[in-house]
Amino acid sequence: GENVEQHPSTLSVQEGDSAVIKCTYSDSASNYFPWYKQELGKRPQLIIDIRSNVGEKKDQRIAVTLNKTAKHFSLHITETQPEDSAVYFCAASNPGNQFYFGTGTSLTVIP
Amino acid sequence: DGGITQSPKYLFRKEGQNVTLSCEQNLNHDAMYWYRQDPGQGLRLIYYSQIVNDFQKGDIAEGYSVSREKKESFPLTVTSAQKNPTAFYLCASSPALGGGQYFGPGTRLTVT
Repeated sequence: GENVEQHPSTLSVQEGDSAVIKCTYSDSASNYFPWYKQELGKRPQLIIDIRSNVGEKKDQRIAVTLNKTAKHFSLHITETQPEDSAVYFCAASNPGNQFYFGTGTSLTVIP
Repeated sequence: DGGITQSPKYLFRKEGQNVTLSCEQNLNHDAMYWYRQDPGQGLRLIYYSQIVNDFQKGDIAEGYSVSREKKESFPLTVTSAQKNPTAFYLCASSPALGGGQYFGPGTRLTVT
């Protein structure tokens, strides 16, 4: 089955700096890679996603890159703000619509 | 975030009792999922269902059961066989053939 690894587990950045979270996956059949943000005590929320036929996608301050050959994908947050502080999860999904999640990155943005 | 609901938000039970968690969605999504989240950990898949009257076990199905009699509903029963049931339970749905998952607000179950 699929194995998704996520690094780092914790990340602290100064407000205004960039944050990068990296994930690797093992199953070459995975073709959809969403990222979720989860604030304390709340539900995960989809913030950006990328499909296997695309190498990069950007939405305002958030971008995701995918390297299919190396089987890794990354989340980039620029100009971080305190409200970006949360736990971020990556996931990989296969054509059977099964989702496999990373273990999460706790991001703290220091004002 | 409307469209997928879970109830109740908090649930307390005595050890040895079965308990059923509700999950309803009006997004017309075919696929529904149940995850368990423990403090400081990721999401672990309990069960998932791609269509009505069909479901598959996830990584940690032991001690849990589900049903999918309607497209909109995917209740999860935590049985007395589940050795460590205290956790945050999240239900999710997604459209068929790819697409992000949309999560419910979660149910925090405490068993004493």
